[in-house]
Amino acid sequence: NAGVTQTPKFQVLKTGQSMTLQCAQDMNHEYMSWYRQDPGMGLRLIHYSVGAGITDQGEVPNGYNVSRSTTEDFPLRLLSAAPSQTSVYFCASKVAGLYNEQFFGPGTRLTVL
Amino acid sequence: GQQVMQIPQYQHVQEGEDFTTYCNSSTTLSNIQWYKQRPGGHPVFLIQLVKSGEVKKQKRLTFQFGEAKKNSSLHITATQTTDVGTYFCAGPRGNNRLAFGKGNQVVVIP
Repeated sequence: NAGVTQTPKFQVLKTGQSMTLQCAQDMNHEYMSWYRQDPGMGLRLIHYSVGAGITDQGEVPNGYNVSRSTTEDFPLRLLSAAPSQTSVYFCASKVAGLYNEQFFGPGTRLTVL
Repeated sequence: GQQVMQIPQYQHVQEGEDFTTYCNSSTTLSNIQWYKQRPGGHPVFLIQLVKSGEVKKQKRLTFQFGEAKKNSSLHITATQTTDVGTYFCAGPRGNNRLAFGKGNQVVVIP
């Protein structure tokens, strides 16, 4: 199993550009989520999904869109990139429910100029 | 805001010494999870605690869940250079969400 995969690993954007961060998992997990990690801020939840066709907002959803058309994929879209979105983005998945560990992808390091 | 608070945020530890990192919540938690992130890496699950007063050990790591299920600690003995990284605790928020603390970044001094 590949686990959770993310592409690209690195990306540089100009302010106002849009892009999609890809995330896929092959563990048949119902729950998938996106976090951003900034120095001193820990991991902050952007959006999450409890199954195909179901998404919801996390702590910091503004400027990001998600969709979940399949169990495997959970892309994150930046609509109009801003320098404040410079961050490391992690996708994670787990079996739905309170008591299950999250598996993280390797991350995407995004810089917005 | 964050549901769980971690202290300290940074630690410098001499190789061979012991250290502890703490996680506190203002509300009772049904469970708490600990993750470790190596520099440049991604968070990796270490352990989950569920029962009041629970203590679990993984080699040199001892995890504890408080009696009131509002705090937790991770104690590492005989620190090694491989212990470098950021340790996160995470508690449930709602039915499916995890709220992470800001992490404790540990630097090991050889």
